[in-house]
Amino acid sequence: DAGITQSPRHKVTETGTPVTLRCHQTENHRYMYWYRQDPGHGLRLIHYSYGVKDTDKGEVSDGYSVSRSKTEDFLLTLESATSSQTSVYFCAISESEILGQPQHFGDGTRLSIL
Amino acid sequence: SQQGEEDPQALSIQEGENATMNCSYKTSINNLQWYRQNSGRGLVHLILIRSNEREKHSGRLRVTLDTSKKSSSLLITASRAADTASYFCATALFMETSGSRLTFGEGTQLTVNP
Repeated sequence: DAGITQSPRHKVTETGTPVTLRCHQTENHRYMYWYRQDPGHGLRLIHYSYGVKDTDKGEVSDGYSVSRSKTEDFLLTLESATSSQTSVYFCAISESEILGQPQHFGDGTRLSIL
Repeated sequence: SQQGEEDPQALSIQEGENATMNCSYKTSINNLQWYRQNSGRGLVHLILIRSNEREKHSGRLRVTLDTSKKSSSLLITASRAADTASYFCATALFMETSGSRLTFGEGTQLTVNP
């Protein structure tokens, strides 16, 4: 298994609170991604990073921000959590610019916002 | 909007039978990938087929790609109970700055009965 650790694995919080999810990799891969998985929508890309301090938006970025200060860590922050952000969040990494490199996924964070 | 759409949404078969899952997509791609997800876990990459390839094999997996019809199929031969999982297709478009951006379908839930 690729060395990807997501923390926490489960979290329950209240509407309006800030939440930060962490993805840590030991593979020294350049590219990192945050997805959310919801029934009926599959996986949708929230934000991605193509290097330290280099990030960009995915298709469902509203309400989320990210930071990458080190190669190994990619943080996803919900500035003010809403019930619509209840979901399972997955971090993924990929190695290089080689065309079509597969992505390797962590085991997810199940987030419930009450 | 989702690029890939899997068919069927759910498939139940007996151990030893073959399982076929289909994926259709809408725009041009660099490659198409299939992933597997066991309950409560992250996605695991199974196989990648490039846009200039028509068929690829990996163990009991056979993937076909028809770019003229914008469709792909995943065949699992001689299925086992351990193959029970959700299977996702993902279309890849390479972006110079962001590596391989993947767009996922909603998945096929495969149940293999012993």
